[in-house]
Amino acid sequence: ETGVTQSPTHLIKTRGQQVTLRCSSQSGHNTVSWYQQALGQGPQFIFQYYREEENGRGNFPPRFSGLQFPNYSSELNVNALELDDSALYLCASSFGGGGNTIYFGEGSWLTVV
Amino acid sequence: DQQVKQNSPSLSVQEGRISILNCDYTNSMFDYFLWYKKYPAEGPTFLISISSIKDKNEDGRFTVFLNKSAKHLSLHIVPSQPGDSAVYFCAAGYTGGTSYGKLTFGQGTILTVHP
Repeated sequence: ETGVTQSPTHLIKTRGQQVTLRCSSQSGHNTVSWYQQALGQGPQFIFQYYREEENGRGNFPPRFSGLQFPNYSSELNVNALELDDSALYLCASSFGGGGNTIYFGEGSWLTVV
Repeated sequence: DQQVKQNSPSLSVQEGRISILNCDYTNSMFDYFLWYKKYPAEGPTFLISISSIKDKNEDGRFTVFLNKSAKHLSLHIVPSQPGDSAVYFCAAGYTGGTSYGKLTFGQGTILTVHP
């Protein structure tokens, strides 16, 4: 139990639609990162939010966007869904930097048909 | 460009023996490393980490070794148990600047521990 909760756990969307995934970080954690894990691969960094601002982004197009709220919870939004967006989306939280441990949620499985 | 590599897709070990999982990295800017364990349909679970200022860190049955000159780290599990069967991911990150939440993961190694 990491204290990082994600919703929904599973969802199916049609190509071209939009999706919003949600994450509640562990209590006291002010940094949230999102990762995409395709089948058979390691997680890939999408972006990170620190104190409500995007603070680092991986190699993902602008149709992947996010928000962090004052309570440090976060959303990942993906517009114009493509079949290749089908993956497990993981949220991770930590307290600042300095090598503090990063804890992951259970993930949201997205299938795009 | 795969900056973190786990070259063994799978490893099979007998219960009670040692499991050694390996990881190589190319980016010398990485200064902390973590190992995660993942069961199907679950998120990664943190196991153990090591800072680049150390060459060894131990936590119970898990020990991580870091060889900075070779850009290589390994996870030792002793003794291995059937419940350790899972996918193990090596991840690397930076403690400085604003990128501390950005981990670069390897592809994973499937560990199977046979009773």
